[in-house]
Amino acid sequence: QKEVEQNSGPLSVPEGAIASLNCTYSDRGSQSFFWYRQYSGKSPELIMSIYSNGDKEDGRFTAQLNKASQYVSLLIRDSQPSDSATYLCAALKEGNTPLVFGKGTRLSVIA
Amino acid sequence: NAGVMQNPRHLVRRRGQEARLRCSPMKGHSHVYWYRQLPEEGLKFMVYLQKENIIDESGMPKERFSAEFPKEGPSILRIQQVVRGDSAAYFCASSPGQFNQPQHFGDGTRLSIL
Repeated sequence: QKEVEQNSGPLSVPEGAIASLNCTYSDRGSQSFFWYRQYSGKSPELIMSIYSNGDKEDGRFTAQLNKASQYVSLLIRDSQPSDSATYLCAALKEGNTPLVFGKGTRLSVIA
Repeated sequence: NAGVMQNPRHLVRRRGQEARLRCSPMKGHSHVYWYRQLPEEGLKFMVYLQKENIIDESGMPKERFSAEFPKEGPSILRIQQVVRGDSAAYFCASSPGQFNQPQHFGDGTRLSIL
């Protein structure tokens, strides 16, 4: 079983809609979760981090964590064509251990 | 630029040559991580270093690959006798080392093996 799983997509949403990206993890020792955005040919860029159950909002982005279900999600409100990218979910077990990444979900926002 | 600096951005080598990839962490960060990304794949952990110490190298192939983070200067990922399968993007990330602090990535080195 893969440690962090994401649907590879592509996920297509119209401009202005809400994009919902999901991620599940298998290691219950995972404590911190991160969403990175990666444009084609570029490096991963941190957009959200979440450490406790519930929702965390930052601008158009909302991260949700449910540790009982081992589920993390990212909502992007008012999606823009510039949001089109691959979104990587990553889990961290302890403070300084390596991140475990999912393969990423490719999002396409259609103008 | 206070971000993670990697060089070169692109590196072309012939089979059998050596590749050296360099990474300078963000100012104030003492923890460095190397990841490899193959086309259409996620990021795979290779090695985690602090100054003068390798903390975890469980993701790095036992042969041909080595990494260091000397007291002075950047972290180096070294690949000896490169093969076509080494072609990938190699990303370095750094963190300050405090609990739960996220890792920030450099722009990566795209390695191509002819």
